[in-house]
Amino acid sequence: DSGVTQTPKHLITATGQRVTLRCSPRSGDLSVYWYQQSLDQGLQFLIQYYNGEERAKGNILERFSAQQFPDLHSELNLSSLELGDSALYFCASSVGAGGLQETQYFGPGTRLLVL
Amino acid sequence: KNEVEQSPQNLTAQEGEFITINCSYSVGISALHWLQQHPGGGIVSLFMLSSGKKKHGRLIATINIQEKHSSLHITASHPRDSAVYICAVIQGAQKLVFGQGTRLTINP
Repeated sequence: DSGVTQTPKHLITATGQRVTLRCSPRSGDLSVYWYQQSLDQGLQFLIQYYNGEERAKGNILERFSAQQFPDLHSELNLSSLELGDSALYFCASSVGAGGLQETQYFGPGTRLLVL
Repeated sequence: KNEVEQSPQNLTAQEGEFITINCSYSVGISALHWLQQHPGGGIVSLFMLSSGKKKHGRLIATINIQEKHSSLHITASHPRDSAVYICAVIQGAQKLVFGQGTRLTINP
């Protein structure tokens, strides 16, 4: 158990809908990262937040947004969902501001199925 | 051509064998991660390297920044090492690019 929690574990929704994925980092970790893993594109880095501020941005679509709250939990919002958004979404956390070069601890993932 | 290439894509070996998984990249990087993804889907960070060599238990990771190459070695492999191993390279402060993964199966 990495100490990173993600909810929900599974999510089934329809095209055009909006969902919110939630992540709680390990106690004391200030950085949160979001990743998407799909069958055709593999793992992709979406975005990183450090202590509430956006720190690094990867291949995040404009239909997706994220934020990190004062209690350091983070949410990833996916809107206008398409079939191709079906994937595993991982959250990870790390201790500080070292960014992408820090060791990250991964949550169990949220499996999203868009029908 | 992908920026990050792993080889082999699939590897099957017998318990006890020495395993090598390779990661080559075509861009300048500041560091590289090796990750392990279990059959159930969970991901564990194994190493973060910017130079030289790191060892943790039976796992050894090396990187040669000039040659744009990293290797992950497993000594005395065990069926519980069966997993997908993924390398990811860090370019600058904002870009993280993943390899396609190497699926390792260790038979008893």
